[in-house]
Amino acid sequence: KNEVEQSPQNLTAQEGEFITINCSYSVGISALHWLQQHPGGGIVSLFMLSSGKKKHGRLIATINIQEKHSSLHITASHPRDSAVYICAVDSSGGSNYKLTFGKGTLLTVNP
Amino acid sequence: DVKVTQSSRYLVKRTGEKVFLECVQDMDHENMFWYRQDPGLGLRLIYFSYDVKMKEKGDIPEGYSVSREKKERFSLILESASTNQTSMYLCASSSDRGHSGNTIYFGEGSWLTVV
Repeated sequence: KNEVEQSPQNLTAQEGEFITINCSYSVGISALHWLQQHPGGGIVSLFMLSSGKKKHGRLIATINIQEKHSSLHITASHPRDSAVYICAVDSSGGSNYKLTFGKGTLLTVNP
Repeated sequence: DVKVTQSSRYLVKRTGEKVFLECVQDMDHENMFWYRQDPGLGLRLIYFSYDVKMKEKGDIPEGYSVSREKKERFSLILESASTNQTSMYLCASSSDRGHSGNTIYFGEGSWLTVV
């Protein structure tokens, strides 16, 4: 079974700061997901990646397959970025049948 | 805009009641999932379905069943609700066509309290 570790568990930042959240996993994967969950429940997919780097607005996700590690970066952070960020890895060939989730990183961005 | 819709946002049920949680997706996805999320435990897979009338147990299927009679709809059933099933339930769907991964889409969640 894949083990997924996220760090840090909690992160407090000031508006405008550059933020990095890390995710490490133990077994080879097909893909890795970065998810965002705001208070109230709903989860939104930010990125799905199997190699390299992806960018969407102020968010950047990278993955190093050899090192079994991924990072989520937020540039110019804003209070609306406050949420729980969850890393999930897919070990089922891309079908998402066997997603293993990290425990999440609670990000608070203060104005 | 892609959408996964869960029919009930907040429910309060009594112990022993039969509970239905409904989920509908409008993306023609093959795969649908039911998770529960509890503090400190993260998301755990209850059941998933890869096609109409097909279902597979996830990590914690005990006390639950599912139904997928139509491709767009996936129902979670608690045959006899118990207090330890108080939780947030999340439905999700994804395509099965990408060999290097498929984006997963989640519903807004259903908060179930069993008293």
